[in-house]
Amino acid sequence: DVKVTQSSRYLVKRTGEKVFLECVQDMDHENMFWYRQDPGLGLRLIYFSYDVKMKEKGDIPEGYSVSREKKERFSLILESASTNQTSMYLCASSFLQGPFYEQYFGPGTRLTVT
Amino acid sequence: DAKTTQPNSMESNEEEPVHLPCNHSTISGTDYIHWYRQLPSQGPEYVIHGLTSNVNNRMASLAIAEDRKSSTLILHRATLRDAAVYYCILRSEYGNKLVFGAGTILRVKS
Repeated sequence: DVKVTQSSRYLVKRTGEKVFLECVQDMDHENMFWYRQDPGLGLRLIYFSYDVKMKEKGDIPEGYSVSREKKERFSLILESASTNQTSMYLCASSFLQGPFYEQYFGPGTRLTVT
Repeated sequence: DAKTTQPNSMESNEEEPVHLPCNHSTISGTDYIHWYRQLPSQGPEYVIHGLTSNVNNRMASLAIAEDRKSSTLILHRATLRDAAVYYCILRSEYGNKLVFGAGTILRVKS
């Protein structure tokens, strides 16, 4: 059974803290993605990676960075958390590029920044 | 990315078929039609996808109009566990990202 896991389901951090969100997939997928989901705005892509050490900006990369040192692991980093980064964060993975490869999502991390 | 239009919400009775419509009048010839759903408190999950022909899998069927400007996701017998937000998404030939709209909230009554 395919699996994408995220390090925490719920996280509470203070403004200005550095935050790491971890995502691990066990399907040997090349692509990994970070989205955030907010009411009324849907899911928006923050960053994605198509190979180890490779990354590309999504639609809303400001305030975030990512790291992919191993194929199975993709980390989202909030260098200095702010209250407007309170959101649900979803990680996903898929094989390669192409419109016929489905993305597999993790359960999400609900981050609250106070 | 081409845009899709879906009803905000729909309601169904348990054990009855459900037809979830999606309009995508600006679809290009190489766009694939994907459906995902998001159950409460979970990440989205893939349901089905197609290009031109109708498609069936264990979860659902996808009926695509001949002009490809609309499609319908069909759940043959809705269960309470099918209550979710259903997203219709167009994916370009080389597109990596999924562009999620608001989707359709499906409520299933027992």
